Amino acid sequence: QKEVEQNSGPLSVPEGAIASLNCTYSDRGSQSFFWYRQYSGKSPELIMSIYSNGDKEDGRFTAQLNKASQYVSLLIRDSQPSDSATYLCAVVSGSARQLTFGSGTQLTVLP
Amino acid sequence: DTEVTQTPKHLVMGMTNKKSLKCEQHMGHRAMYWYKQKAKKPPELMFVYSYEKLSINESVPSRFSPECPNSSLLNLHLHALQPEDSALYLCASSQGAIADTQYFGPGTRLTVL
Repeated sequence: QKEVEQNSGPLSVPEGAIASLNCTYSDRGSQSFFWYRQYSGKSPELIMSIYSNGDKEDGRFTAQLNKASQYVSLLIRDSQPSDSATYLCAVVSGSARQLTFGSGTQLTVLP
Repeated sequence: DTEVTQTPKHLVMGMTNKKSLKCEQHMGHRAMYWYKQKAKKPPELMFVYSYEKLSINESVPSRFSPECPNSSLLNLHLHALQPEDSALYLCASSQGAIADTQYFGPGTRLTVL
């Protein structure tokens, strides 16, 4: 079982829709969770960090964490073509004590 | 300011060359990282420096040699690389602990001929 798993996609949504990106992790002792956005040929850019169960909102982005289910998600409201990118879920596991990335979900927002 | 800078942006080198990648941050962060990223794959951790000491080496071949001259600078010395080492090399920094948010530099696109 991979430590961090994401739906590989690709995921396509129409402009203005909600995009939902999902991530599960295997280490129950994990404490820190991050979503990064990466445009093709560019470096990862932090979108959200979340540490506690529940929702965290920042503009059009909402991160949701459920430690009991070992699940973290990212919702993008009012999706824009400029949101088209690969979204990387990253987790600091309790045991490995390093940032482990999922394989990424490629999102395309269609005009 | 969450800026991490990396030079050069692009590097082409032969298998017998020696070159260095540089990374700098002025955020007062005490942990710095080197990652390697191949196309359509997530970043893979190579090295971690914490308070200027090498704390993690992910079994990286010795042709990659990291150096942390001070708390703001991180170098990656390259020697006798192979074509399969061609990748995007990313530097990141975080405030202190590995659990802290990591901020990435723009990366160096390395091509080994």
